[in-house]
Amino acid sequence: ETGVTQSPTHLIKTRGQQVTLRCSSQSGHNTVSWYQQALGQGPQFIFQYYREEENGRGNFPPRFSGLQFPNYSSELNVNALELDDSALYLCASSSEASAYNEQFFGPGTRLTVL
Amino acid sequence: QKEVEQNSGPLSVPEGAIASLNCTYSDRGSQSFFWYRQYSGKSPELIMSIYSNGDKEDGRFTAQLNKASQYVSLLIRDSQPSDSATYLCAVASGGYNKLIFGAGTRLAVHP
Repeated sequence: ETGVTQSPTHLIKTRGQQVTLRCSSQSGHNTVSWYQQALGQGPQFIFQYYREEENGRGNFPPRFSGLQFPNYSSELNVNALELDDSALYLCASSSEASAYNEQFFGPGTRLTVL
Repeated sequence: QKEVEQNSGPLSVPEGAIASLNCTYSDRGSQSFFWYRQYSGKSPELIMSIYSNGDKEDGRFTAQLNKASQYVSLLIRDSQPSDSATYLCAVASGGYNKLIFGAGTRLAVHP
């Protein structure tokens, strides 16, 4: 157990809908990164939040957006869902105080878009 | 060229043998390297981190790093059936340490 929690566990949506995924970081961690993992592939970096600001972004369109709250929890929002958005969405928490910035993953949210 | 490359496997080893997993990366500026284990249907679990050239041992796991060759490996000694999983190599990149993952190597340890 990493202490990182995500909700919901599973979600089914239809094309064009919007979805919000939630993540609570490990105690003492102030950085949250979001990743998308398609079946049979490694996780792909979506973006990172540090102290409530977006701190870096991967190659994902603007319909992927996020927030970080004062308690360091975070949300990932995806608008205008497409079939290819079906994947496991992972959040990882880390701390700038850690010498090596190790990232610890939550259990993930499995999103299915029909 | 992919940024982080791994053989997809499956790598099949008998119980008690040494499993050797390999990873190459393209960004010479990378400083931090990680191995994650992912069981089917679960999220990645961090098992090893390495930052300096050479070997780092933790129990049955040894990570090896060669920055000149841009090569990272993971050795699992005395492999057990419970080690059967996909092993993901990740490289930290950029000032904010985003992780770039390989596609993973599937390891099967048979009794």
